[in-house]
Amino acid sequence: DVKVTQSSRYLVKRTGEKVFLECVQDMDHENMFWYRQDPGLGLRLIYFSYDVKMKEKGDIPEGYSVSREKKERFSLILESASTNQTSMYLCASSSGDLPVNQPQHFGDGTRLSIL
Amino acid sequence: AQKITQTQPGMFVQEKEAVTLDCTYDTSDPSYGLFWYKQPSSGEMIFLIYQGSYDQQNATEGRYSLNFQKARKSANLVISASQLGDSAMYFCAMRPFGNEKLTFGTGTRLTIIP
Repeated sequence: DVKVTQSSRYLVKRTGEKVFLECVQDMDHENMFWYRQDPGLGLRLIYFSYDVKMKEKGDIPEGYSVSREKKERFSLILESASTNQTSMYLCASSSGDLPVNQPQHFGDGTRLSIL
Repeated sequence: AQKITQTQPGMFVQEKEAVTLDCTYDTSDPSYGLFWYKQPSSGEMIFLIYQGSYDQQNATEGRYSLNFQKARKSANLVISASQLGDSAMYFCAMRPFGNEKLTFGTGTRLTIIP
């Protein structure tokens, strides 16, 4: 089974801090994704990466950056955390071969609170 | 651009009854895939079922089936014989073929009543 592991289930940080959310997958997937989930808004794509050192902006990239130095690891960075970034963050991965019926596989999520 | 609409923010259903969760979508792409995910209160997203736009038959996976009506652009999830463990958020999502990005709906919170 695919395993996507997010480093923290719960995280509390202060405004202005630089925050790192880490995600590791063990299935040699090419594609990795970071989503933000808010009540009433569903999941919104922040960034995704289709290869090492490659990244593309999603729908809401402002205030975030990402890093993918190794294939299995995709990091989300909040450069200067703000209270409106309090949310649930979900990491996902998928195969680059992209069989059409293959789903994205998700981690358990990180509930981030910015105080 | 793709858009997914889930019009039921919340539903309450008696245990053992069947339940239908609505999903409509909008896309200009001729080929696409539709996905349903379940998210229990613990937070993980669990893939349930897939339907391809060219599939001739509606998808089924155990107690889950998909009522796919292409002309109406709807892909409703049907859960038969609901169980208490079905209480969760349910998300509909789609992506065009050849595109890695999923577009999600806003979700439906399903509560099964004993």
